[in-house]
Order: sequence, then C-alpha cells, then structure tokens
Amino acid sequence: EAGVAQSPRYKIIEKRQSVAFWCNPISGHATLYWYQQILGQGPKLLIQFQNNGVVDDSQLPKDRFSAERLKGVDSTLKIQPAKLEDSAVYLCASSPVGGPFSLSYEQYFGPGTRLTVT
Amino acid sequence: KQEVTQIPAALSVPEGENLVLNCSFTDSAIYNLQWFRQDPGKGLTSLLLIQSSQREQTSGRLNASLDKSSGRSTLYIAASQPGDSATYLCAVHPGYSSASKIIFGSGTRLSIRP
Repeated sequence: EAGVAQSPRYKIIEKRQSVAFWCNPISGHATLYWYQQILGQGPKLLIQFQNNGVVDDSQLPKDRFSAERLKGVDSTLKIQPAKLEDSAVYLCASSPVGGPFSLSYEQYFGPGTRLTVT
Repeated sequence: KQEVTQIPAALSVPEGENLVLNCSFTDSAIYNLQWFRQDPGKGLTSLLLIQSSQREQTSGRLNASLDKSSGRSTLYIAASQPGDSATYLCAVHPGYSSASKIIFGSGTRLSIRP
C-alpha cells in the first residue's frame, strides 16, 4: 500500500510571496489532515477534512492560509502572503475512517514539506 | 484546555539499556493516546495506539501504558539500539467528537550511544 505523498519536499520563498503544497492521501482514506510543525514543537492541526468537507479549521489562519480537497481525494494548502513565522514543516496525514469513529484509527503521515520564509 | 507535556526534552543513553519516555496530559477525558516516532527530516510514524479503555499496548520491544486517572502515559523501550535514535511524540485525542483535535506534545529527542 502506497503511503501519503507530499510535494514539494522543500521550498524557500521570500516573505509576502505565495506558496502551495500538495498532498495525496492513502487510497480510500476518508479523513485528511494538515499540520504545521515549528522546529522543536509538536505538530499543530491546521485543518481536517472528511471526504471533501471541512470538519475543523479553527486553528487555520484564514487571512493568509487556505486549503481545499477537491473530489475528496488529494488536497492543496496555500499560504498567501507568507510571513517569516510561517517557516515550518507542513505535514499531511490521512486516516481510513470518517465521522466520530475517525479518532479511533491511526493517522498515517507523509514526509512533510519544509518551508523556509526569508 | 488540553495540554500535553513530554519531559525530558532530550535523553541520551548507552546502547542496550531499557528506558522510559514520559507523557502527561491535563484533561483525563481522552478518547485515545498515540505514540509516534519522527526521524530527522521525515514525517511521523505511528508506533502504538492505546484506546481509552485499554491500559497498555505492546509491539516488539515497545510497550506503552496509559493511566487516564493520573493523566500519564509511558513508552518503554527494551534493549535500546542506535537505530532507536529519533524524536518520540505522544498525542491525545481529547474527546469523542468529529471536531476534537489531536493534541501533540513537543517530543523527547532520544539518542542511543553505541
């Protein structure tokens, strides 16, 4: 079974530029997550999708961040404009079950995209 | 508000030792707890998932325990090897709700000396 795919692996941009990350979850997984992991910290959930609907985006800075999951499969996360404090690793994860039972299933993580904003 | 703490932030032990990593959480109303391993520059790999009704889970040389009442979980690694060197993170699912967010600790960076 193929794992969660993410691209690009690394990205360096200047502040105020825009950037987009792509994630392809494990086939058949209903739930998809985007996390931000700042160096030395644990991942922080930005947004959770169940199929193509948003379950939780309460920690997503909506003035600059946006995400979509068209057709309930792959997803993109965009930052526009980027700030220095957005430098982090952006992790995508998926789990096989949606709805209230999703929490009882393991999350499978991709390798992440390391973003550096200069 | 749920908070997850992992102490120490870093740990170095000689090869072959048994060791325990600690995870504490402030709200005992959790749905489950998960331990992850993260290698430098990589994503997270799930090690063990403990449901709230369980006391422990085992996988090979790893054993994770859960004590909800005291807000603690431990990850026991037997006969440590240099390949175990990584950052270990615990994460809690704070409730039975599709809107509940998984909360991660900051991790313990483990180094096994040959």
